[in-house]
Amino acid sequence: EAGVAQSPRYKIIEKRQSVAFWCNPISGHATLYWYQQILGQGPKLLIQFQNNGVVDDSQLPKDRFSAERLKGVDSTLKIQPAKLEDSAVYLCASSLGLQYTDTQYFGPGTRLTVL
Amino acid sequence: RKEVEQDPGPFNVPEGATVAFNCTYSNSASQSFFWYRQDCRKEPKLLMSVYSSGNEDGRFTAQLNRASQYISLLIRDSKLSDSATYLCVVNQAGTALIFGKGTTLSVSS
Repeated sequence: EAGVAQSPRYKIIEKRQSVAFWCNPISGHATLYWYQQILGQGPKLLIQFQNNGVVDDSQLPKDRFSAERLKGVDSTLKIQPAKLEDSAVYLCASSLGLQYTDTQYFGPGTRLTVL
Repeated sequence: RKEVEQDPGPFNVPEGATVAFNCTYSNSASQSFFWYRQDCRKEPKLLMSVYSSGNEDGRFTAQLNRASQYISLLIRDSKLSDSATYLCVVNQAGTALIFGKGTTLSVSS
């Protein structure tokens, strides 16, 4: 079974530029998550989708971050404009069920460096 | 006080050693507990859930003490392949998983 796919794997941009990340979850998984993992920290949830609806975006910095999940499958996360402190790994995860405690399968992540 | 606290380590142990990691959580309403493993520059993967009665999976034993708000992971007979960062994760019903910063283990031959 194919895992969670993410692209690009690496991205280097200058501050104030825009960037977008793409995620394709495991087929049939209803729930999709975007996490931010800063070096030396654990992952922090940015946004959770169930099918194509947002369930939790309480920790998403909405002045610069946006996300969508088209047709309840793929998702994109955008940062506009980027700041130095956005340098992190952005992890996408998916789960079959609708509960936070359902096993979440993570993608390989996109490593973002903001200069 | 941070929601989930772990000793960052690193823990450097020889092959065959037994090593234990501890984790404390601040929210007494937390209901679900997990250990995730994250290899260097890789994604986190679920290692095991932690149940109130304690549970074992091969060389790995997880325990929960709700009164002390404390979770532990014991690894017996350490292998080189156990070298990774171990993330303690807690959850309150209906809310997002909260990850600790992780404890780094390095097993040497």
